[in-house]
Amino acid sequence: AQSVTQLDSHVSVSEGTPVLLRCNYSSSYSPSLFWYVQHPNKGLQLLLKYTSAATLVKGINGFEAEFKKSETSFHLTKPSAHMSDAAEYFCVVSGFTSGTYKYIFGTGTRLKVLA
Amino acid sequence: DSGVTQTPKHLITATGQRVTLRCSPRSGDLSVYWYQQSLDQGLQFLIQYYNGEERAKGNILERFSAQQFPDLHSELNLSSLELGDSALYFCASSVDPMRRAGQKHEQFFGPGTRLTVL
Repeated sequence: AQSVTQLDSHVSVSEGTPVLLRCNYSSSYSPSLFWYVQHPNKGLQLLLKYTSAATLVKGINGFEAEFKKSETSFHLTKPSAHMSDAAEYFCVVSGFTSGTYKYIFGTGTRLKVLA
Repeated sequence: DSGVTQTPKHLITATGQRVTLRCSPRSGDLSVYWYQQSLDQGLQFLIQYYNGEERAKGNILERFSAQQFPDLHSELNLSSLELGDSALYFCASSVDPMRRAGQKHEQFFGPGTRLTVL
């Protein structure tokens, strides 16, 4: 069975400081992993995805994530937060469970950026 | 712009009523997914269609139904509405996840329909 856990429901950082949003996954085989961002009253936008190629994945807006199989983690990072990064972030694992395709969302992490 | 369109953007209705939400997938995508996002339940998968056929069901209530038409657009029908049905409803589309390596492809989300039940 697959599952995904976002370890922090809320994260606050100061503008210009690094961002770390944590995601752990559980999967019985090599998973595909995704990060989405949702700004207030907007749809979900794909930030980046891991599909068993390079373990360090670069996404849009300066975000990147590293797939660590030994730690079953796929944490999202950004070197320097910008005010426009304030949003909710979702980690997703996809694959098949009992022959059914599933796209499983984490519960989300709300990022607050302080001036 | 994801290429997925949803109408209407906002819908306000009363309890007991029925509404229809519409979604057009990205060009070339045969799979359509519906999700509900509310403050208390988070993002919940409702149902998936592939090329006109139901493929998977999630936490969809019996009062809700969906279909996908030959032109691949999809409609989500919500009936006997209750206050608790107020939420953002998202549609997403993707390539066929059952194809080899299809599950490596992301879902593209529409802007959502905000439903308010009074």
